[in-house]
Amino acid sequence: AQSVTQLDSQVPVFEEAPVELRCNYSSSVSVYLFWYVQYPNQGLQLLLKYLSGSTLVKGINGFEAEFNKSQTSFHLRKPSVHISDTAEYFCAVTPPPGKLIFGQGTTLQVKP
Amino acid sequence: EAGVTQFPSHSVIEKGQTVTLRCDPISGHDNLYWYRRVMGKEIKFLLHFVKESKQDESGMPNNRFLAERTGGTYSTLKVQPAELEDSGVYFCASSQALRDTQYFGPGTRLTVL
Repeated sequence: AQSVTQLDSQVPVFEEAPVELRCNYSSSVSVYLFWYVQYPNQGLQLLLKYLSGSTLVKGINGFEAEFNKSQTSFHLRKPSVHISDTAEYFCAVTPPPGKLIFGQGTTLQVKP
Repeated sequence: EAGVTQFPSHSVIEKGQTVTLRCDPISGHDNLYWYRRVMGKEIKFLLHFVKESKQDESGMPNNRFLAERTGGTYSTLKVQPAELEDSGVYFCASSQALRDTQYFGPGTRLTVL
């Protein structure tokens, strides 16, 4: 069975500072990895995904994530955050193909 | 192109009543998924349709939940009778092919009093 752990439930950060949201997963088989974002009163939107190939994945809005197989991690990073990045972020995996298995979510609070 | 839509956006019902949630996937998407997030918990998979067939319903909590996708277009999720623990946000997602990105709707917030 697969599981996903997001180590921080809330991450406060000042505007223009860098941020890293941590995600670790557990799986006995190869998985695809995803980061979704949910802005207030909206649905989940895909930020980026790792299927295979280069372990550094770039997504929308300046976010990137690095797949580390040995550490079973897929941390999300952004070098300089904006107020508009305030949202809840979800890490997810899927043992291909099919259903997504989500972490608990991390709320990013960007302060002016 | 319209995204995934869900109706209603909010529903407040009393314990023992019946509620039906609807999801309209992106046109042409054969794969449709239902997920649920109970307050304070992670988003959990409920079931997966491929066209009108249930491919995986391993996440359905119990037999009070019934999902249908007649004609392989929109889907409904009925809860009958509703219990307090059914409160949460119900998300629907769709994808064209099995390995494609899943696109999510805005969710339906269900409150059972």
